[in-house]
Amino acid sequence: AQSVTQLDSHVSVSEGTPVLLRCNYSSSYSPSLFWYVQHPNKGLQLLLKYTSAATLVKGINGFEAEFKKSETSFHLTKPSAHMSDAAEYFCVVIMDYGGSQGNLIFGKGTKLSVKP
Amino acid sequence: NAGVTQTPKFRVLKTGQSMTLLCAQDMNHEYMYWYRQDPGMGLRLIHYSVGEGTTAKGEVPDGYNVSRLKKQNFLLGLESAAPSQTSVYFCASSRGARGANVLTFGAGSRLTVL
Repeated sequence: AQSVTQLDSHVSVSEGTPVLLRCNYSSSYSPSLFWYVQHPNKGLQLLLKYTSAATLVKGINGFEAEFKKSETSFHLTKPSAHMSDAAEYFCVVIMDYGGSQGNLIFGKGTKLSVKP
Repeated sequence: NAGVTQTPKFRVLKTGQSMTLLCAQDMNHEYMYWYRQDPGMGLRLIHYSVGEGTTAKGEVPDGYNVSRLKKQNFLLGLESAAPSQTSVYFCASSRGARGANVLTFGAGSRLTVL
């Protein structure tokens, strides 16, 4: 069965230090991968997406993610955390069944805290 | 351009009551979804629609019904609310499937069932 695992439920960093949020997926197919961010009491917003083009994907607010097929990973990184990055982050996988609508699978989320 | 609008934003129900959540999108998207978000569970798909007049079950459809009579609207109904349905509900829409399936989310509807 297809699945997506966010390896940390909570990550805490200091402002100005790097951010790493980990995501692994399992799939027998070619996935499309996304990262979404949810700020408190808000809906989810797309950060970046991978759809079988370049393996290093740049998103908004300085975030980027690298698709590594051999490791079935799609980790999210940022070189220097900002206080405004404090939010919950969701890794999302679409499994390409060849069907018409695809199947979105959400990770359980990683809450990022940023300390001054 | 409003995007995806959900109403109401907050609602408190008693067990057994019924209610409808309304989702409206103005982006001419074909696909619409209803998710629920619970602590530590991420988002779980309740129902979705791939076009006007169509609906399909997601991961957790029991206790909910949906309708997509107009392309821009997707309604989520609770026939007889239960405390287990206390959650934050998110509507989303997308232009298409697979790689084109970038979701636009509403701001959420917080439902409490007493």
